[in-house]
Amino acid sequence: AQTVTQSQPEMSVQEAETVTLSCTYDTSESDYYLFWYKQPPSRQMILVIRQEAYKQQNATENRFSVNFQKAAKSFSLKISDSQLGDAAMYFCAYSTYKYIFGTGTRLKVLA
Amino acid sequence: NAGVTQTPKFQVLKTGQSMTLQCAQDMNHEYMSWYRQDPGMGLRLIHYSVGAGITDQGEVPNGYNVSRSTTEDFPLRLLSAAPSQTSVYFCASSYSMWGAGNTIYFGEGSWLTVV
Repeated sequence: AQTVTQSQPEMSVQEAETVTLSCTYDTSESDYYLFWYKQPPSRQMILVIRQEAYKQQNATENRFSVNFQKAAKSFSLKISDSQLGDAAMYFCAYSTYKYIFGTGTRLKVLA
Repeated sequence: NAGVTQTPKFQVLKTGQSMTLQCAQDMNHEYMSWYRQDPGMGLRLIHYSVGAGITDQGEVPNGYNVSRSTTEDFPLRLLSAAPSQTSVYFCASSYSMWGAGNTIYFGEGSWLTVV
């Protein structure tokens, strides 16, 4: 069965610093998609970044980038120049024909 | 563009009562799904649908029913509410289940408390 593991329940980062959130997954599939979603206190789920497993190039979206290591089944999210508005719960998700979510990492940004 | 709309946003139920959480999307998405979010457990899939007339169970389907009579609507029914169903519920949709269109879009969530 596919699983997604986020081993860091909570992380803290100083404003303007860089932080990396970890995600590992288990699958026997070769084609799949990986996502990071952000959930601020409003509880709205916001797509941060998306990675197709067949693409070797790591996805980037402005200050957000991923380190995708397919052989290691690892998909970490790097947030550069952290801002107060980045404080949220972050969920890693894996998808083939169903989405499977990790348990989330709560990110605190310290002023 | 409304996206995915869920109603109600907040609801308090008594044990044994039934209710329906409504979900509608205006993006002509084929794939719709319901998740529940509980502390420390992330989002768990309840039911999903790949198109009108087609539904299937997710990880935690017990106590819930769904139907998909139109592309736009995907209501979630609680048959006999239990305190264990106290949770935040999210409806989500995507153009497809696979490929470039499989990014899912979420509604704003429905807070349900069963007392």
